[in-house]
Amino acid sequence: DIQMTQSPSTLSAFVGDSVTITCRASQSISSWLAWYQQKPGKAPKLLVFRASTLETGVPSRFSASGSGTEFSLTISSLQPDDFATYYCQQYNSYLYTFGQGTKLEI
Amino acid sequence: QVQLQESGPGLVKPSQTLSLTCTVSGASISSGAYYWNWIRQPAGKGLEWIGRVYTSGTINYNPSLQSRVTISVDTSKNDFSLKLTSVTAADTAVYYCGRGLSGPLELWGRGTLVTVSS
Repeated sequence: DIQMTQSPSTLSAFVGDSVTITCRASQSISSWLAWYQQKPGKAPKLLVFRASTLETGVPSRFSASGSGTEFSLTISSLQPDDFATYYCQQYNSYLYTFGQGTKLEI
Repeated sequence: QVQLQESGPGLVKPSQTLSLTCTVSGASISSGAYYWNWIRQPAGKGLEWIGRVYTSGTINYNPSLQSRVTISVDTSKNDFSLKLTSVTAADTAVYYCGRGLSGPLELWGRGTLVTVSS
């Protein structure tokens, strides 16, 4: 299995801040990485695919980059709606695996 | 628009079989080159991919669950299903169905909580 490790597990920030979440794969996954946002009691929402492509409708304050084993998701000018848990997911192999999540809190 | 809806018992006894169905509305499950997935999330924990089915019949399972899992698709009912046998408390989770073209899951159901308890 390809292991995905996110850091940090919890991130405290203020509205207006810029934050970065990182995701590391246990082996190279090229650019086969997605990012999701999940709010309590809701299903995850796809934000980014192919490491850096924003899903339609995702605000431009979200950006993502990386390839190989190191990836990042940056949210600039945090809005109240952005406080949620974020997951990365690799799909280099059919055995999809997710990171453990990063909770972004005020 | 296309929607997914999970359904099935919310309570399953230990050692029994968990059975869930994901109904697709707004589009034919056979249209497009989509994989139809099952994912679960124990309370307060992360996401675990269970498996996926392609309408051509191709099925992939998470090896950690493969011996207990069966995923199938019913194009006549426009749905796909999950069966998980010999459940224990560790299988208690919110179960989601999801759709993706290859890897990213761009459409999810709302999820259904399944509790394993006697």
